[in-house]
Amino acid sequence: AQTVTQSQPEMSVQEAETVTLSCTYDTSENNYYLFWYKQPPSRQMILVIRQEAYKQQNATENRFSVNFQKAAKSFSLKISDSQLGDTAMYFCAFIPLGGAQKLVFGQGTRLTINP
Amino acid sequence: DTAVSQTPKYLVTQMGNDKSIKCEQNLGHDTMYWYKQDSKKFLKIMFSYNNKELIINETVPNRFSPKSPDKAHLNLHINSLELGDSAVYFCASSQSGLGDYEQYFGPGTRLTVT
Repeated sequence: AQTVTQSQPEMSVQEAETVTLSCTYDTSENNYYLFWYKQPPSRQMILVIRQEAYKQQNATENRFSVNFQKAAKSFSLKISDSQLGDTAMYFCAFIPLGGAQKLVFGQGTRLTINP
Repeated sequence: DTAVSQTPKYLVTQMGNDKSIKCEQNLGHDTMYWYKQDSKKFLKIMFSYNNKELIINETVPNRFSPKSPDKAHLNLHINSLELGDSAVYFCASSQSGLGDYEQYFGPGTRLTVT
């Protein structure tokens, strides 16, 4: 069974700082996608960034980037120049490309950006 | 312009009642999902439909019954509601074959059973 683990239940940083959220996953699949979703207090789930497992290059979206280490099954999210609007729950998620394509989520990390 | 919509956004009801949550997507996607987010914020898939056909059915009490009248709609009916059913329920959709596997989520329905 696939599992996703986020070992940091909560994190807090000052505005403009850089913060890294950790995620590890367990799978025997070779082809899969990884995602980071953001859930602000509004409850809406918003895709932040995605990574295809077959791509070695780390994905980047503006201030958001990932460090994807396939052998270590690690997928961390780095937020640069953090902003107050980044305050949210962040979920790491995994989807295998074979079989039933179920999106499996980690437990989430509550990130607070302080002014 | 709403991509994935759910109604209602809030639902408060008593134990033993039957209720439904509706979901509609206007993205033209062929696959729709129901997820449950518990009080600890953990998200877990419940069901998935592809072109009105059930393809994922997790270990969910049979009091929960999804219904997909067409590929743009996936409703969730819950019979004999229990206190433990209190949660936020999210509908999502995706398009198979595009290669990005992104799922688009609705705003969620907060169900409170008293």
